[in-house]
Amino acid sequence: DIVMTQSPDSLAVSLGERATINCKSSQSVLHSSNNRNYLAWYQQKPGQPPKLLIYWASTRESGVPDRFSGSGSGTDFTLTISSLQAEDVAVYYCQQYYNTPYTFGQGTKLEIK
Amino acid sequence: QVQLVQSGAEVRKPGASVKISCKASGYTFTSYYMHWVRQAPGQGLECLGIINPSAGSTSYTQRFKGRVTMTRDTSTSTVYMELSSLTSEDTAVYYCARRATGAQVFDYWGQGTLVTVSS
Repeated sequence: DIVMTQSPDSLAVSLGERATINCKSSQSVLHSSNNRNYLAWYQQKPGQPPKLLIYWASTRESGVPDRFSGSGSGTDFTLTISSLQAEDVAVYYCQQYYNTPYTFGQGTKLEIK
Repeated sequence: QVQLVQSGAEVRKPGASVKISCKASGYTFTSYYMHWVRQAPGQGLECLGIINPSAGSTSYTQRFKGRVTMTRDTSTSTVYMELSSLTSEDTAVYYCARRATGAQVFDYWGQGTLVTVSS
């Protein structure tokens, strides 16, 4: 199974500041056939299911604010929130869908400083 | 609008089985694969397996093989996940999640079903 490792485990950022979450996969999730990274990001708020934010490592899901962006390739990826809003407090997960079983990172808890 | 509505919370004793349902609406049921994902209290997300609602074919994560069974009823647009030989480590919220076409990510999720295993 592909192991996904996120850093940091928790993060406190001031409102309006940038938040950066990293995700590393144990093997490349870049598919040579289409040059796409099979990497997604989800946001989970307390008591709710996860919500899809980004797929193909950098494509925002419809309706996701443009302050959320994803980058990276191969084994190293980043989720960036350009200007933190109060409603962004949540746990963020990366997920690979390159191989089954699809696997998730352990999560990064984002709080307001 | 797409909705996945799961059955309610369950309490089971160790060694028992549990069967959870997930009723889909707002889209063509047989056109999208469905996954089951669980989340233990305060923990991360773990995939149990996938079902193709059209063919009924399944693929289970290795560590759950022999214990998990996924089925579907096309007449009611419902998928089911049954987990047997429960232990306390199976206490978790179980989600059904629709897999999108194109990017094989989970674009819609059920609200979750809490399964508590306790003697």
